[in-house]
Amino acid sequence: QKEVEQNSGPLSVPEGAIASLNCTYSDRGSQSFFWYRQYSGKSPELIMFIYSNGDKEDGRFTAQLNKASQYVSLLIRDSQPSDSATYLCAVNRDTGRRALTFGSGTRLQVQP
Amino acid sequence: ETGVTQTPRHLVMGMTNKKSLKCEQHLGHNAMYWYKQSAKKPLELMFVYNFKEQTENNSVPSRFSPECPNSSHLFLHLHTLQPEDSALYLCASSQGGGAEFFGPGTRLTVL
Repeated sequence: QKEVEQNSGPLSVPEGAIASLNCTYSDRGSQSFFWYRQYSGKSPELIMFIYSNGDKEDGRFTAQLNKASQYVSLLIRDSQPSDSATYLCAVNRDTGRRALTFGSGTRLQVQP
Repeated sequence: ETGVTQTPRHLVMGMTNKKSLKCEQHLGHNAMYWYKQSAKKPLELMFVYNFKEQTENNSVPSRFSPECPNSSHLFLHLHTLQPEDSALYLCASSQGGGAEFFGPGTRLTVL
């Protein structure tokens, strides 16, 4: 089992719809959770982070965390073609010196 | 300049060349990372430095040699590379185990 799992996609949604991206992780000791967006040929860009169970909203983006079920999700409301990218989920397994563990990403396509 | 910068942005080298990639972070972070991303592949962590000390080396071949002279600068020295080493090389920094901030990357082509 991979430490951080994401469906590779592509996930295709029409413009204006809600895109739902999911991520599961294996280490129950994970404490911090991050979502990155990566456009083709570009570097990953941090868009959201969440530490506590529940929802966290930032503009059109909502991150949801459920530690009991070991999943974290990202909702994108009113999806735009410019949201078409690969979304990477990343998890911090412990505090201090360890690097984030990244999933392989879900490719999102927003159809105009 | 702000954030994380990388130079050069593009590099073409032969298998017998020696070159270096440079990364500089202006965020006051204490950790720096090198990642490799091949075409349509996931990120691969290569090296981790905390307070200039290397704390992770994920079985990277010795033809890649990192150097971290201080908490703001990170180098990746390259020699006798193979064509399969062609990829996007990404530098990132973070404060402890927090969010990592990436530079724009160096697109490397090995002929």
